[in-house]
Amino acid sequence: KAGVTQTPRYLIKTRGQQVTLSCSPISGHRSVSWYQQTPGQGLQFLFEYFSETQRNKGNFPGRFSGRQFSNSRSEMNVSTLELGDSALYLCASSTTGADATNEKLFFGSGTQLSVL
Amino acid sequence: AQTVTQSQPEMSVQEAETVTLSCTYDTSESNYYLFWYKQPPSRQMILVIRQEAYKQQNATENRFSVNFQKAAKSFSLKISDSQLGDTAMYFCAFMSYGNQFYFGTGTSLTVIP
Repeated sequence: KAGVTQTPRYLIKTRGQQVTLSCSPISGHRSVSWYQQTPGQGLQFLFEYFSETQRNKGNFPGRFSGRQFSNSRSEMNVSTLELGDSALYLCASSTTGADATNEKLFFGSGTQLSVL
Repeated sequence: AQTVTQSQPEMSVQEAETVTLSCTYDTSESNYYLFWYKQPPSRQMILVIRQEAYKQQNATENRFSVNFQKAAKSFSLKISDSQLGDTAMYFCAFMSYGNQFYFGTGTSLTVIP
């Protein structure tokens, strides 16, 4: 079974630009969540999508948005990039989300975004 | 709001020795799940161990075990017989019903040969 796939692995952008990151979850997983990882801050939760609906949202400005498609693939968009947006963006998928008993996150390798 | 605290930014251990990583959390919920994830230099986050809060028995996975103290809201990870491949960043995480995860800031562990 293929794991969580994130593309691209690396991105370099300049301030003011926008960027779109992609995440393909494990087959059968309907929940996709996004995290921003920066040194010293750990993983900050951005948002979670389940069956094409945003179910949870973290404390990030409106410049950060996402969506999920009917095949569970998800995209994250950041508009008007700022230097502080430089980070590793991790995507994680999990199963149905209906029963937390066996819930666990499976992560992709991340997209390293550098804003110059 | 849930918070997860890892007070040890960096730790080191000699190969074959035992090391314990600390984690505390704050929540008002009674049912939740706790996790330890490992992130090696490859950046791939890997689940190390999982604990259900309603279970009193501490979880174990081979050389990895936890000390779960629910009243103290403490969830430490013990790595026995440390190996060079254990060198990584370790994140403690909390999940409540609603399936939102909260992560600590991580502990960078170096295993010294």
